[in-house]
This record gives sequence, structure tokens and C-alpha cells, in this order.
Amino acid sequence: AQSVTQPDIHITVSEGASLELRCNYSYGATPYLFWYVQSPGQGLQLLLKYFSGDTLVQGIKGFEAEFKRSQSSFNLRKPSVHWSDAAEYFCAVGGTDSWGKFQFGAGTQVVVTP
Amino acid sequence: NAGVTQTPKFQVLKTGQSMTLQCAQDMNHNSMYWYRQDPGMGLRLIYYSASEGTTDKGEVPNGYNVSRLNKREFSLRLESAAPSQTSVYFCASRIGQRTDTQYFGPGTRLTVL
Repeated sequence: AQSVTQPDIHITVSEGASLELRCNYSYGATPYLFWYVQSPGQGLQLLLKYFSGDTLVQGIKGFEAEFKRSQSSFNLRKPSVHWSDAAEYFCAVGGTDSWGKFQFGAGTQVVVTP
Repeated sequence: NAGVTQTPKFQVLKTGQSMTLQCAQDMNHNSMYWYRQDPGMGLRLIYYSASEGTTDKGEVPNGYNVSRLNKREFSLRLESAAPSQTSVYFCASRIGQRTDTQYFGPGTRLTVL
């Protein structure tokens, strides 16, 4: 069975500092991995996704993520955080069936301080 | 192009009441999904519809029913609401291929008293 773990429930970071959000997954085959962001009161927006190929994936809003098969991880990074990055971030792993039964992590709440 | 729309945005029910959450997408997607979001638990799949005319249970289907009315619309029904169904409900859709993205609606915040 697939599963996703986001070890950090809450992270506080200063504006301008770097950010890294951790995601570990359990999956039997090559996973399809996603990072979504949810601003308060909003739906989920896709930041980036990994299916195959280059293990460093670039996304929107200056985010990137690196797939490390040996560590079963797909960590999200941003070199310099902006106040608008305050949100909840979800990692998800996609099913190998064609119907897209995604498994979501519990989320990491990011707070940005001045 | 509105993407995925959900109605209503907010709803308060009393225990035992019924209601239907509506979802529509205008992206010609084949697959549609209903999730619930609870604090500390991420999103959990309730039901999904791989294509028009088919529906299947997800991780937490008890207490819910769904209808794929046509290719655009996928509704979620609570026949007899319970306080445990207080949650934020998200509808999502995607083209239907294995690797593509799910697009989410803005959510419905439901409170059951």
C-alpha cells in the first residue's frame, strides 16, 4: 500500500531565509509524486510533479523538489521565502492504476515571519 | 474557463439532515474525485469516478453516496449527516491518464451540529 509521511507539522521561517519541507513515501514501484500548496480558505494548487527523468524538478513560484529513490524522499525547497509563501503544503503520491487514487500526506503548515 | 466549481461554499446541517454537494468541471476531464480534509489528516479520498458512468469507493466512503450525472458533474450526497462528517470537502478532476495532474475546486466547508 502506498503512504506518504510529512514529518514536520509546522515550520516557521524568516522572510528571505531558505525553506525545505520533507516528504517520505512508501510505494512498491516508481512513484508519481506531487507537491501541492493550499492558501487559507482556498483549494489546492499544484506546485510541481515528478514522474520520471531528471530527479530535480522545477515548479512554480520558485520551488523545486528532488526525488531520491534511495531515501524514498521527495523534499521541497525554496532558496528565499516570501511572506506570500505562508500556506499549507501537501505531498502526494499517485497510484499506478490509471484512476489516480492519490495518497496525501498530513500537510506542513508554513509560517513566515518578518 | 472556470475549472472546477463547487456549491455551496459553506453549509451547516443538523444531525440526521441530508444534503448534496455539487461539483462541476469545464475542462472535459474524464476522472473526478471527492476528498475530505480534516486537521492533521491531509486529504482522504471518499469516492471517485474514473469515467462517466462509473463510480468507486475510496478510503472513507461510509455515510456518503455519489452520482456521476454526466461528464461534467459529480455530486456527493450525505443521506443522514453526522457530526463526524464535519469537514472541508474538495472535488477534483483530471484528464484520466496515469500521470497527469488533479485540479481542485475551492472546497465546501460543512458543519454538522
